[in-house]
Amino acid sequence: NAGVMQNPRHLVRRRGQEARLRCSPMKGHSHVYWYRQLPEEGLKFMVYLQKENIIDESGMPKERFSAEFPKEGPSILRIQQVVRGDSAAYFCASSTTHGTGLGSPLHFGNGTRLTVT
Amino acid sequence: AQTVTQSQPEMSVQEAETVTLSCTYDTSESDYYLFWYKQPPSRQMILVIRQEAYKQQNATENRFSVNFQKAAKSFSLKISDSQLGDAAMYFCAYRTIIQGAQKLVFGQGTRLTINP
Repeated sequence: NAGVMQNPRHLVRRRGQEARLRCSPMKGHSHVYWYRQLPEEGLKFMVYLQKENIIDESGMPKERFSAEFPKEGPSILRIQQVVRGDSAAYFCASSTTHGTGLGSPLHFGNGTRLTVT
Repeated sequence: AQTVTQSQPEMSVQEAETVTLSCTYDTSESDYYLFWYKQPPSRQMILVIRQEAYKQQNATENRFSVNFQKAAKSFSLKISDSQLGDAAMYFCAYRTIIQGAQKLVFGQGTRLTINP
């Protein structure tokens, strides 16, 4: 049973380019979360999605960042016109339930390290 | 708003010894979960142990155990018989449901070094 798959593992972009980060949740999981980790810090919540719906994007920067989780295919975190401050590790997590399963842990992927030069 | 504080940026312990990592949190809720995650250099986030707030009994997973003090809002992790493979960043996390979204709030992390 494959875990949460994220790709690419490393991504280098120049300032002004676009970054696309992909996440395939664990089989059977329909809830996806994106977190960002700055160097030497803990993970910070960005967005929570279910299939074809953004449920909570309160942690997403208002501009340049967007996320989707289509009916088919992986979840995508898209960062337009990247700046140096976007350099971080971006983690995806998935779970089977969101509200009723407080005991259901999030399963994390290995993250994508984005470097903006 | 919920906050999680890990006051020890770094800790070190001799192999085979016991070490305790501290974590405090702030919340007004009564129903929540607490977690410890381990992040080795590979960057993978590995769930170490979890505690349900309404359970008074401290959780235990092999060499890992917690000291959960709900009134004090304290959730420390004890690692017994430390092994070289335990070296990693350790993150304490609080989880609750906000507007239908399961949210984890992480502490700043503690870097644990194991001395052979």
